[in-house]
Amino acid sequence: EVQLVESGGDLVAPGGSLRLSCAASGFAFSSYSLSWVRQAPGKGLEWVSAISYYSTYIYYGDSVKGRFTISRDNAKSSLFLQMNSLRADDTAVYYCARDGGSNPAVGAYGMDVWGQGTTVTVAS
Amino acid sequence: SYELTQPPSVSVSPGQTATITCSGDKLGDRFVSWYQQRPGQSPVLVIYQDTKRPSGIPERLSASNSGDTATLTISRTQAMDEADYYCQAWDSNTAVFGGGTKVTVL
Repeated sequence: EVQLVESGGDLVAPGGSLRLSCAASGFAFSSYSLSWVRQAPGKGLEWVSAISYYSTYIYYGDSVKGRFTISRDNAKSSLFLQMNSLRADDTAVYYCARDGGSNPAVGAYGMDVWGQGTTVTVAS
Repeated sequence: SYELTQPPSVSVSPGQTATITCSGDKLGDRFVSWYQQRPGQSPVLVIYQDTKRPSGIPERLSASNSGDTATLTISRTQAMDEADYYCQAWDSNTAVFGGGTKVTVL
């Protein structure tokens, strides 16, 4: 079964850091680009970051640029999101999602597999 | 920054057709994907490359993209189609989602 499982969400104080993980199984992990997408409570989807097969292409949304870092370990079929300088408006469910393209920015394949999400709450 | 605009809500009677629009500058020049999100669930890809359906998505869902507007059409609407729908495209190495449309089946 093709699966993505996020972990690492937690309650963190403003200004703090958190590292999210996404474990993949059931498919050739190194053949897919991946994205992080978040959803604040009661709000819509917001793309956060994307990374291509071998990390050749890495992209960030304006709201997280300079604070978040995406990375992947193909040997361990894992995706990561290092989040620093967290703010209250980073509170959301964070999803990892698979993209079929070699460069996700082409947008040709859509995000065809999603995890169940992990919850990040930034509050004092 | 690039924006995609969707109507906040669409209501449809069972068996009728629901149409959801997504507007953005020269959207027809980009690939558009559509996602369905039922309450409490993760999003599901229902359309990619403007018009293509992933395996398992019913033919009742169809889409088009031209000019400044992409459209998702749900034919013969069923109760199971009640969900939030999001369009998505890429611009300048940034993925952009529309604000979402809540489809209510009355």
